[in-house]
Amino acid sequence: NAGVTQTPKFRVLKTGQSMTLLCAQDMNHEYMYWYRQDPGMGLRLIHYSVGEGTTAKGEVPDGYNVSRLKKQNFLLGLESAAPSQTSVYFCASSYGSSGRFTYEQYFGPGTRLTVT
Amino acid sequence: GEDVEQSLFLSVREGDSSVINCTYTDSSSTYLYWYKQEPGAGLQLLTYIFSNMDMKQDQRLTVLLNKKDKHLSLRIADTQTGDSAIYFCAESDSLTGTYKYIFGTGTRLKVLA
Repeated sequence: NAGVTQTPKFRVLKTGQSMTLLCAQDMNHEYMYWYRQDPGMGLRLIHYSVGEGTTAKGEVPDGYNVSRLKKQNFLLGLESAAPSQTSVYFCASSYGSSGRFTYEQYFGPGTRLTVT
Repeated sequence: GEDVEQSLFLSVREGDSSVINCTYTDSSSTYLYWYKQEPGAGLQLLTYIFSNMDMKQDQRLTVLLNKKDKHLSLRIADTQTGDSAIYFCAESDSLTGTYKYIFGTGTRLKVLA
């Protein structure tokens, strides 16, 4: 099992450019999440999904869009990047209501994004 | 909204005990977690505690929960250099969805040899 993988690992964008971050999990998890991590602010939830074809806003959704067309993939898009979006982005996944311990989130290794 | 607070840094000597503290505001917290982040990596669950428990022990780790004061602590016995990392406290509640976490700012633990 690869667990949760993220592509790319690093990226530098100019202001106004767009990009998509890809998250993939091979654990058949129902729920997937995108967080951003900024110094002194912990992790903040951007968007999440509770199943294929569903998405919902988290704490800091502005400037981002997401899609979950396949259960194993969760894409995070930046349509017009801004310097305030410079951050480390983490994807995570968890079991849904499968009867297992549903609350542990499994994290990917992160994508470091710099917007100049 | 709900808030989770932690001190930013802690430094201990190898072999000593480390105690990382966390306070939270959500009175309906159902689950509280400790995650560890090693340099350049994602977060990994260390341990968790249900809100109806006071204490949980798991090998070198002891979690204490004071629900009245909304205070959570993680004690690491016999701290090793490999324990150097950032430790995040997080909580979730059954009202907003137990799968939605609120994370603290993280405490960077430095273990001195």
